[in-house]
Amino acid sequence: DGGITQSPKYLFRKEGQNVTLSCEQNLNHDAMYWYRQDPGQGLRLIYYSQIVNDFQKGDIAEGYSVSREKKESFPLTVTSAQKNPTAFYLCASSIASGGVYEQFFGPGTRLTVL
Amino acid sequence: AQSVTQLGSHVSVSEGALVLLRCNYSSSVPPYLFWYVQYPNQGLQLLLKYTSAATLVKGINGFEAEFKKSETSFHLTKPSAHMSDAAEYFCAVRTDILTGGGNKLTFGTGTQLKVEL
Repeated sequence: DGGITQSPKYLFRKEGQNVTLSCEQNLNHDAMYWYRQDPGQGLRLIYYSQIVNDFQKGDIAEGYSVSREKKESFPLTVTSAQKNPTAFYLCASSIASGGVYEQFFGPGTRLTVL
Repeated sequence: AQSVTQLGSHVSVSEGALVLLRCNYSSSVPPYLFWYVQYPNQGLQLLLKYTSAATLVKGINGFEAEFKKSETSFHLTKPSAHMSDAAEYFCAVRTDILTGGGNKLTFGTGTQLKVEL
């Protein structure tokens, strides 16, 4: 089945540690996205990538980093510079251009900083 | 810039009653609008999308939404609520129409739907 996988589902981190969240898709989509979700705030865009080896900052990129070395993969690193990293993180993908396309979402990773 | 506002962070209805979730948009160009549903601790699932082909859009699970330009609204409705409809619902608008590229979306803050017996 085609879709998006995120791992792990739950992640615990000590303050001061970097942590990497995995996102893989087999939908052959060019574009991929990372969102952060906090209660009552909806989804906020962290980073997005339209093509391999290229990515752009979203609205809340500070304290996060990404890479896009393969079309299928878009890992997100939450660095120690992110002051309040506890949140639900969602990865999405879509066709990037040529029409109006929805984004498909993974199941999410819940990160808790201890 | 394109944006959406969802009125009412919590809505409660009785099973079998009409569901109405409100979304108003702001856009300087004809918008592309989406409704997504999220069940607890899961990702988002597309319910329906408006791409200017028809003002009344039918989606999955019996939901539909009507685009009203005069009211800048795209409210989500379902004639008869079911217990399984209890979830959080997000309205979204595509934001890169003028800047081009990326198929970016901006989401509203969400409406939690509760369905009571």
